[in-house]
Amino acid sequence: QLVESGGGLVQPGGSLRLSCAASGFTFSNYWMSWVRQAPGKGLEWVAKIKQDGNEKYYVKSVKGRFTISRDNAKNSLYLQMNSLRAEDTAVFYCARDCGSTSCFDYWGQGALVTVSS
Amino acid sequence: SYVLTQPPSVSVAPGETARITCGGNNIGSKSVHWYQQRPGRAPVLVVYDDSDRPSGIPERFSGFNSGNTATLTISRVEAGDEADYYCQVWDTSGDPWVFGGGTKLTVL
Repeated sequence: QLVESGGGLVQPGGSLRLSCAASGFTFSNYWMSWVRQAPGKGLEWVAKIKQDGNEKYYVKSVKGRFTISRDNAKNSLYLQMNSLRAEDTAVFYCARDCGSTSCFDYWGQGALVTVSS
Repeated sequence: SYVLTQPPSVSVAPGETARITCGGNNIGSKSVHWYQQRPGRAPVLVVYDDSDRPSGIPERFSGFNSGNTATLTISRVEAGDEADYYCQVWDTSGDPWVFGGGTKLTVL
């Protein structure tokens, strides 16, 4: 199970930190990702982190503003979002990588981030 | 960056077969994954690696990938299959994990 928290309303230029609590599987064995969905729009991969946290990847539009991290001791995934823009408004999903291939096999219920003044 | 093209909508009567396409340059050389997203819910993986099904996904869901088009086929469509469907691949150019724009399946 994946449970996101930390969403909310933030002003443009502000910051927010999302958390994802994992349970029911060995968290430290899996790459993890954040995927977002703007209101009424499609899915967009945002960031990915390796099991040990030593490799990270980001979609171009958030590089330098967002930071993905994890704490394997706490079975938790994080997304620190800075310099937020209106176009970052979305539901953010925490997702587990499939492992042997490039899909996402388990998803959280999502956390809504609204960037507005 | 790699682009995946899906039709915005597909409509089918209950009991019929729905086919949702995902177009991309030489997509047949990539592994394609498909997700179902019911309104207000998180996505669910229904097909991975072109044609494999995760446990718990009915055999009515199948996939095929060749050339420039991947296809998700849903046989004997039920009202509960009404949802948005997204294809996804991994690509080495641009942003690596790419989703199609999604297809809304309507069960008439």
